[in-house]
Amino acid sequence: SAVISQKPSRDICQRGTSLTIQCQVDSQVTMMFWYRQQPGQSLTLIATANQGSEATYESGFVIDKFPISRPNLTFSTLTVSNMSPEDSSIYLCSVEDDRGGYNEQFFGPGTRLTVL
Amino acid sequence: GNSVTQMEGPVTLSEEAFLTINCTYTATGYPSLFWYVQYPGEGLQLLLKATKADDKGSNKGFEATYRKETTSFHLEKGSVQVSDSAVYFCALLNTGGFKTIFGAGTRLFVKA
Repeated sequence: SAVISQKPSRDICQRGTSLTIQCQVDSQVTMMFWYRQQPGQSLTLIATANQGSEATYESGFVIDKFPISRPNLTFSTLTVSNMSPEDSSIYLCSVEDDRGGYNEQFFGPGTRLTVL
Repeated sequence: GNSVTQMEGPVTLSEEAFLTINCTYTATGYPSLFWYVQYPGEGLQLLLKATKADDKGSNKGFEATYRKETTSFHLEKGSVQVSDSAVYFCALLNTGGFKTIFGAGTRLFVKA
């Protein structure tokens, strides 16, 4: 299984600022994903990040608001830009691993963001 | 398209009660099915999984059986504890796919 770490684990930010969240995986993976979980809600996929190409964003999410980097096969960052209180959520990094013979998705511990 | 429907919460039970959280799915192909748990203030953890029809996933006293004929993956536990209070998410990942589809989540409260 893949072990995923995220930094920071939580942060409180001011409106209008930006925060970059880091995701580190202990093995090389092709696909990494960023999810958002708003308070009391389920998980919503923001984008899929493949190394060497631009991230693919889901409907309702744009690169200007959530720029993503994927410089290598074990690391990715998600930036939440020009934050507003509506961006207060848990942001989760995830990877897909099929080494067990079937697709399985692993999640990082999440970054709990509060925007004031 | 692929989707997951799970029973609405919150579910409130007394300690040692029997738990069932219903989950049904719609998918093309042969998805893998998962239950994830999120304890208060924490991230998402995989609770159990099943990768093919009739498989039973189990962990920490929880179990769920992959029922292809009823497209269901209901979560059960014979005797819940206060420490089981959490939000439970049913999810599927389709063959060859890469996007896990999550249900809305079911919040469980267990009273002592």
